[in-house]
Amino acid sequence: EVQLLESGGALVQPGGSLRLSCAASGFSFSNYAMTWVRQVPGKGLEWVAEISATGYSLYYADSVKGRFTISRDNSDNTLHLQMNSLRVEDTAIYYCAKEFGGVALNYFDYWGQGTLVTVSS
Amino acid sequence: EIVMTQSPATLSMSPGEGVTLSCGTSESVGTNLAWYQQKPGQAPRLLISTASVRAAGLPARISGSGFGTEFALTISSLQSEDFAVYYCQQYQEWPYTFGQGTKLEIK
Repeated sequence: EVQLLESGGALVQPGGSLRLSCAASGFSFSNYAMTWVRQVPGKGLEWVAEISATGYSLYYADSVKGRFTISRDNSDNTLHLQMNSLRVEDTAIYYCAKEFGGVALNYFDYWGQGTLVTVSS
Repeated sequence: EIVMTQSPATLSMSPGEGVTLSCGTSESVGTNLAWYQQKPGQAPRLLISTASVRAAGLPARISGSGFGTEFALTISSLQSEDFAVYYCQQYQEWPYTFGQGTKLEIK
């Protein structure tokens, strides 16, 4: 059974940093691209960042480019999102999701339950 | 970026009725379109990929169709578990984009 468990969400001040993690199990993690999607509570879904199976290809939404870094540890089956220079508008539930394939441009076939990031003074 | 437009924003339906949700894209995405269902307090769940391919275990009463810029999600006979928010998403190009969602509520 595929399982994705996010952690690291917290309350942080504007300008602060946070690192989210997603522990994966139930599939061959190193064979699949992974992605982060966020959702302001009660609002729609926004794609944030994607990393290929090997970790060599990275893609970001313009809204986070230069501030967020996606990475993965295939030896540990873990996905990360380093979030710097956080803004109030980054407040959201952050979901990690498994992609269908190993390279980019796929749909998201499994999702974690999400972790809440709140940016506020 | 490709803009996704879902209609209507809210649908009030009764169990047993059939319904079609619409999703339009600002440029062609071929069949690179997925549908997700989200219930309150839960993560999204994949329903349909490649415009019309059902996810494993999805009942046959739920189907997807379309190509290019016009897509539809059809539920032939609504069950209580179908009342939720539905999102379409394109994976034709970066950035991935989602529609704003259609809320299917019980009348």
